[in-house]
Amino acid sequence: EAGVAQSPRYKIIEKRQSVAFWCNPISGHATLYWYQQILGQGPKLLIQFQNNGVVDDSQLPKDRFSAERLKGVDSTLKIQPAKLEDSAVYLCASSLAPGQWGNYGYTFGSGTRLTVV
Amino acid sequence: AQKITQTQPGMFVQEKEAVTLDCTYDTSDQSYGLFWYKQPSSGEMIFLIYQGSYDEQNATEGRYSLNFQKARKSANLVISASQLGDSAMYFCAMMWGKLQFGAGTQVVVTP
Repeated sequence: EAGVAQSPRYKIIEKRQSVAFWCNPISGHATLYWYQQILGQGPKLLIQFQNNGVVDDSQLPKDRFSAERLKGVDSTLKIQPAKLEDSAVYLCASSLAPGQWGNYGYTFGSGTRLTVV
Repeated sequence: AQKITQTQPGMFVQEKEAVTLDCTYDTSDQSYGLFWYKQPSSGEMIFLIYQGSYDEQNATEGRYSLNFQKARKSANLVISASQLGDSAMYFCAMMWGKLQFGAGTQVVVTP
């Protein structure tokens, strides 16, 4: 089966600019996650969707970050305006449903590496 | 609150030797899952092994085994017969509704 697709692979922007990342999960996976991974740290969950509804966005900096999953399939994560500390890898992951992780946890995409200068 | 701790920021290991990566966790839940992921320099997160909190036997997947000690709340990863391709970041993660990661351990395998 096709994996989790993410684009772009790399992005360099200046601070105060805006940027958007796209994710297409595995077909049939109802739950989609966005993680932020700062260099040298483990991934941190930003937002979790169940179909097209938000389940958990407690760690999303809502003054500058937004995310949507309008049709319950692919998702977009946006940052506006970007700050230097937003430089990180943004990972998208999907699973069948919350609590039904099976033996494989989530399936991750290759990530988008964002550099804010 | 749940917490994952990986105390080894980096390790060097010689090819063909075994290496143990430490992971401890803190939770009051009885049902949870423990995972190890590998992240090479290319950035993708690769699933390695899973242990359920109610599993009585330690999980094994090829050269990977998980030393699960529930009472001590530890879930150490053992990689046997290290290969050069094992050089990567390794993350311990716990699932109790959402997947939370430790800070990771950088492993460098030397010839």
